Amino acid sequence: AQSVTQLDSHVSVSEGTPVLLRCNYSSSYSPSLFWYVQHPNKGLQLLLKYTSAATLVKGINGFEAEFKKSETSFHLTKPSAHMSDAAEYFCVVSDGGNYQLIWGAGTKLIIKP
Amino acid sequence: DAGVIQSPRHEVTEMGQEVTLRCKPISGHNSLFWYRQTMMRGLELLIYFNNNVPIDDSGMPEDRFSAKMPNASFSTLKIQPSEPRDSAVYFCASTRLAGATDTQYFGPGTRLTVL
Repeated sequence: AQSVTQLDSHVSVSEGTPVLLRCNYSSSYSPSLFWYVQHPNKGLQLLLKYTSAATLVKGINGFEAEFKKSETSFHLTKPSAHMSDAAEYFCVVSDGGNYQLIWGAGTKLIIKP
Repeated sequence: DAGVIQSPRHEVTEMGQEVTLRCKPISGHNSLFWYRQTMMRGLELLIYFNNNVPIDDSGMPEDRFSAKMPNASFSTLKIQPSEPRDSAVYFCASTRLAGATDTQYFGPGTRLTVL
C-alpha cells in the first residue's frame, strides 16, 4: 500500500537560509508525487508535482524537489527562505494510478527574521 | 480563472442544526472532491464525484453526512444533525480528470464550528 512520511513536523530556519523539507514514500506503482502548501487559514495550493518526467521538478516561489527512486524520497528545497514561506507543507502521493491521494502529516515551516 | 469557490467561508452553528456547505468547481473540470481537515486526523477524503456521479463515498463518516452534485457547476455537503465533533475545515477540490497525474485544485475551505 502507498504511504507518505514527512520526517519533520516542524522546521525552523532563518530568513535567507536554505530550506529542506523531507518526504519519503512507499508505492508499488510508478508514483506521482506532489507538494502542496497551506498558508494560515488558507486553502491548499499546489507547489509542484512529479509525474515520471524529469526527476528534478521546479515549482512556484523558487521551490524545487528531486525524485530519488533509490531512496524513495521527494524532498522539497529552496535556496533562500523568505518570511512569506511560513506555512504548512504537505507531501502527497497518488494511489495506484487513480484519484486517491495519500497525504503526509504536514511539516510546519517557521521562518525566523 | 476564478478557481474553486466555496461558501460560506465560516459557519458557526449549534449542535443539532442542519449545515449546508457549497462548492462551485472550476469550469470544465469533471471531478469533484470533498475533504475534511482536522488537527487530529489531518486531511480526509469524504466523497468523490465524477461527471456529477458519486463514485466513492467510503469516507463519509456516517449517515448524518450527505453530498449531492446536481450539475457540473455545483455541489453541496450537508450535515444533519450537526455535532461538535464535526467541527473542522471542509475543502472542496476539482480536477479535469481523475488520474494519478492530475492536479486537484482546492477551494479556500469552510471553517465549521459546531457548539
